[in-house]
Amino acid sequence: AQSVTQPDIHITVSEGASLELRCNYSYGATPYLFWYVQSPGQGLQLLLKYFSGDTLVQGIKGFEAEFKRSQSSFNLRKPSVHWSDAAEYFCAVGPKGGYNKLIFGAGTRLAVHP
Amino acid sequence: GAVVSQHPSRVICKSGTSVKIECRSLDFQATTMFWYRQFPKKSLMLMATSNEGSKATYEQGVEKDKFLINHASLTLSTLTVTSAHPEDSSFYICSATNQGLAGRAVWPDTQYFGPGTRLTVL
Repeated sequence: AQSVTQPDIHITVSEGASLELRCNYSYGATPYLFWYVQSPGQGLQLLLKYFSGDTLVQGIKGFEAEFKRSQSSFNLRKPSVHWSDAAEYFCAVGPKGGYNKLIFGAGTRLAVHP
Repeated sequence: GAVVSQHPSRVICKSGTSVKIECRSLDFQATTMFWYRQFPKKSLMLMATSNEGSKATYEQGVEKDKFLINHASLTLSTLTVTSAHPEDSSFYICSATNQGLAGRAVWPDTQYFGPGTRLTVL
């Protein structure tokens, strides 16, 4: 069955600390991979995506993610967290090419302490 | 680029009435639009997929007669909640994608999300 697992429901970090949000997926083939961020009461903003090529992808707001095929993972990282990064983060996967119905993880809520 | 808008952002209605939510892609042509529902502190639940000019494809368990979707143009899709009841209260989010056609500042096969519509049914 196709699924996305975000093991951490809630994470709290101090401002300036590094961050890693985990994402594991189960899929028939290597999918397209996405990270989205949602601020309270808002829609989702695309942080970054992986389609092919370099397995370390850079996104907006200083985020990066690394695709590891052997571990079926696509973890999101940021070297130094800012208070404005507090939000809900969703990992999603979808089929390569064409019709792209996404499967979302349950989300990880990030809190940032000053 | 890649901006998706939704209108209204919030709506309160009485039980039994119908509510229409619009989703627009402002700077690209959306060959496909998706409608999601999100419960508090939960992930997104896909309700339906609509392709321009054709009938929407609904996910299992979603009542097509209750949630009417129209995708009449490449920039507009609407979701109408008919005979709304309090249990329909939720946050509805749309997304749009331009499949396989790279447009200005738009990646193909990537969903761009609207800001969401908060529906409250009294």
